[in-house]
Amino acid sequence: QVYLVESGGGVVQPGTSLRLSCAASGFRFSGHGMHWVRQAAGKGLEGVAIIRHDGRKSWYADSVKGRFTISRDNSKNTLFLQMNSLRAEDTGLYFCVRDGYDNWGGLDVWGQGTTVTVSS
Amino acid sequence: QSVLTQPPSVSAAPGQKVTISCSGSSSNIGNNYVSWYQQLPGTAPKLLIYESDKRPSGIPDRFSGSKSGTSATLGITGLQTGDEADYYCATWDSNLSVVVFGGGTKLTVL
Repeated sequence: QVYLVESGGGVVQPGTSLRLSCAASGFRFSGHGMHWVRQAAGKGLEGVAIIRHDGRKSWYADSVKGRFTISRDNSKNTLFLQMNSLRAEDTGLYFCVRDGYDNWGGLDVWGQGTTVTVSS
Repeated sequence: QSVLTQPPSVSAAPGQKVTISCSGSSSNIGNNYVSWYQQLPGTAPKLLIYESDKRPSGIPDRFSGSKSGTSATLGITGLQTGDEADYYCATWDSNLSVVVFGGGTKLTVL
């Protein structure tokens, strides 16, 4: 069975930092690009960050560029999202997602998400 | 405002067919694959269609996807009450260098 389990969410004040983790199991983690996708309560999905299978390239939404950093440890089958200078608008459910196909063909495995709340 | 445009809601009776549109541009749908996701209330999204028109194993053939130019369409036939969910399209945007999603469409099975 393929699993993605996120952790690290919580309630933090604006301007502070948080690090999310995603533990992968049941597949060859190093063979897949990985994504973080977030969803504010009652709102749609937003792609936040992507990292290539080997960790050598990453991409970010404009809304988080310069504040968030995606990384991975293929030896530990773990994906990370370092979030700095957090803002109220970063509040939401953060999903760890596997890129299942070449050329951005589709995101085939989703974790259950971890909740981030940024509030004073 | 989302890069990809979907209707906010669609509805149809059980057993009927419904289509959900997703409109974009040459920097996204026009030159990249489209994928579709179903999100049931309180759950994570689930991949329904990948590479614009392919179904992952386990997805019934009631669900279909197509793409033409800068638009894509999800079709669902034989509607069931269990199909009530939010549906999202997604694709790579070559200008933004990020995966972009549509705003989502809420399907109601009357």
